[in-house]
Amino acid sequence: GENVGLHLPTLSVQEGDNSIINCAYSNSASDYFIWYKQESGKGPQFIIDIRSNMDKRQGQRVTVLLNKTVKHLSLQIAATQPGDSAVYFCAENKPGGGKLIFGQGTELSVKP
Amino acid sequence: DSGVTQTPKHLITATGQRVTLRCSPRSGDLSVYWYQQSLDQGLQFLIQYYNGEERAKGNILERFSAQQFPDLHSELNLSSLELGDSALYFCASSVAPGQGTYGYTFGSGTRLTVV
Repeated sequence: GENVGLHLPTLSVQEGDNSIINCAYSNSASDYFIWYKQESGKGPQFIIDIRSNMDKRQGQRVTVLLNKTVKHLSLQIAATQPGDSAVYFCAENKPGGGKLIFGQGTELSVKP
Repeated sequence: DSGVTQTPKHLITATGQRVTLRCSPRSGDLSVYWYQQSLDQGLQFLIQYYNGEERAKGNILERFSAQQFPDLHSELNLSSLELGDSALYFCASSVAPGQGTYGYTFGSGTRLTVV
């Protein structure tokens, strides 16, 4: 079935530390993955994406790693800041489709 | 401002009633998606439209329906409302089904409370 899940529902880190948020996906046919950030009362905001022909993609302070062998996705946030506190969702997309399948989300809390 | 506009932002209504949620996609986007987010839940896909045509259906109840108009705005109709329908409803848009330079762009959502 369709299932994208997160290993940790909550993550608490100290300001300045690096954060790693993990995600497992179940559909090996998925070819496009996205990480979204959702702050309280707001809609999901795009952070970074990666296609299945890549293993790693870097953005500003964020890196997404894709391991297709074990169907695992991770989001690394460098030098985590209080403004990074939010719920983070991974999402997958299958070829030819349009809908995104979202995981349950991980709440990241950054302690000053 | 993401460019995706959803109205109203908040809606409180009684059980058994019907409501309509509206979404205007980002300029140039032809595909619209509706998602439901209940408390402590992830985003559940409801339905997708592309250029006026229904493209995909998810876990959408028969009491719910949607459409996309020629000007590309979309409406989600929820009828015979139940307490369990209370949730955040998000609309997202993309250039085409499954395509988008930066994934899908989400609106800020409509918070529906059924009392």
